[in-house]
Amino acid sequence: ETGVTQTPRHLVMGMTNKKSLKCEQHLGHNAMYWYKQSAKKPLELMFVYNFKEQTENNSVPSRFSPECPNSSHLFLHLHTLQPEDSALYLCASAQDRQGDISPLHFGNGTRLTVT
Amino acid sequence: QKEVEQNSGPLSVPEGAIASLNCTYSDRVSQSFFWYRQYSGKSPELIMSIYSNGDKEDGRFTAQLNKASQYVSLLIRDSQPSDSATYLCAVSSGSARQLTFGSGTQLTVLP
Repeated sequence: ETGVTQTPRHLVMGMTNKKSLKCEQHLGHNAMYWYKQSAKKPLELMFVYNFKEQTENNSVPSRFSPECPNSSHLFLHLHTLQPEDSALYLCASAQDRQGDISPLHFGNGTRLTVT
Repeated sequence: QKEVEQNSGPLSVPEGAIASLNCTYSDRVSQSFFWYRQYSGKSPELIMSIYSNGDKEDGRFTAQLNKASQYVSLLIRDSQPSDSATYLCAVSSGSARQLTFGSGTQLTVLP
């Protein structure tokens, strides 16, 4: 398995459900990211982990909870979501090189629908 | 607020023509610049990176960077229908630990 893999590819959940998105990278990178992509809007950075430490949290609601157990795995735990949270959630990885980063490599994304 | 601006399009060009995509950014200390292509329903894929002023060519693609004008562009020569996609411009932040993306330009190459 190479690159960045995300599961599931599609997820439909009710507002009271709890679910988790999973991301795994096989590129040896030391930084991982969660992005949200809504229709007609730019990619929105949600969370950044460098060396397993969360370094950015761009005012994301607490109903989204990230977890990074090691440099290869990243999770996004979801609970009590709202319909406006329906979007494509993209995981990415990169190499943080002390003041600069390599290009991001994206996974295929999880298409989330909140009903 | 660091911003990256792109013309959302849609931009239509005939097959074989040159497609020109433009991007401006607000953070003067940005160091790294990337162009991603995103097909409908797919994730973004990197097609070009550029780090210094001037032109960088890779096959049919040429990226151009002008840091003084805070401007980066992508030229696609001999455009093909398979080039039809949304093209995202991404710029590193001053802290260089994250990328800021533009909203993308939708390109359609007409057969």
